[in-house]
Amino acid sequence: AQTVTQSQPEMSVQEAETVTLSCTYDTSENNYYLFWYKQPPSRQMILVIRQEAYKQQNATENRFSVNFQKAAKSFSLKISDSQLGDTAMYFCAFMKHPGTYKYIFGTGTRLKVLA
Amino acid sequence: GAVVSQHPSWVICKSGTSVKIECRSLDFQATTMFWYRQFPKQSLMLMATSNEGSKATYEQGVEKDKFLINHASLTLSTLTVTSAHPEDSSFYICSARDQKRGTDTQYFGPGTRLTVL
Repeated sequence: AQTVTQSQPEMSVQEAETVTLSCTYDTSENNYYLFWYKQPPSRQMILVIRQEAYKQQNATENRFSVNFQKAAKSFSLKISDSQLGDTAMYFCAFMKHPGTYKYIFGTGTRLKVLA
Repeated sequence: GAVVSQHPSWVICKSGTSVKIECRSLDFQATTMFWYRQFPKQSLMLMATSNEGSKATYEQGVEKDKFLINHASLTLSTLTVTSAHPEDSSFYICSARDQKRGTDTQYFGPGTRLTVL
């Protein structure tokens, strides 16, 4: 069975600084997808970034980028130029592919951006 | 694009009554939808997978007779909490898979807060 671990329950960062959120996972699968979702106080889950395991190039979306290390089963999220609006819970998720399309979520990291 | 709505956004009901929550994909067809439950300051717990035109698949430990799921069309799935009790109070979130985009990404609704008195 797959597991996803987020070892940082809470983090804080100064506005405009850079922060990295950690995520590790355990799987015997070779093909899968990894995701980072953001859940702000409104509790609406928002997709931040997505990575296919077969792609060696790290995904980027504006200020958000990942460091995907397949051999180490690590999938960290880097947020550059942090903004107050980045304050949220961040969840890492794993999905086997092909499969049932079910996500396995980590326990989340609460990020607070300080003014 | 890829917007998912939920209705109602919050509901308060008396113990013993049933509550229906709707999940709609507004601008895409979703053959597969998912229902999650989230307790305060915790992660999302998958309750069931809802497949259009067939029976839902429930996760281990989820009572299928208590949490009835119906996926009658490609844009609508409903979750009915039957004979609700205070312990069913929680935040319920649905998501929908946009198959046509080819990304297999789930798009989430805004959630429904259920309070059972």
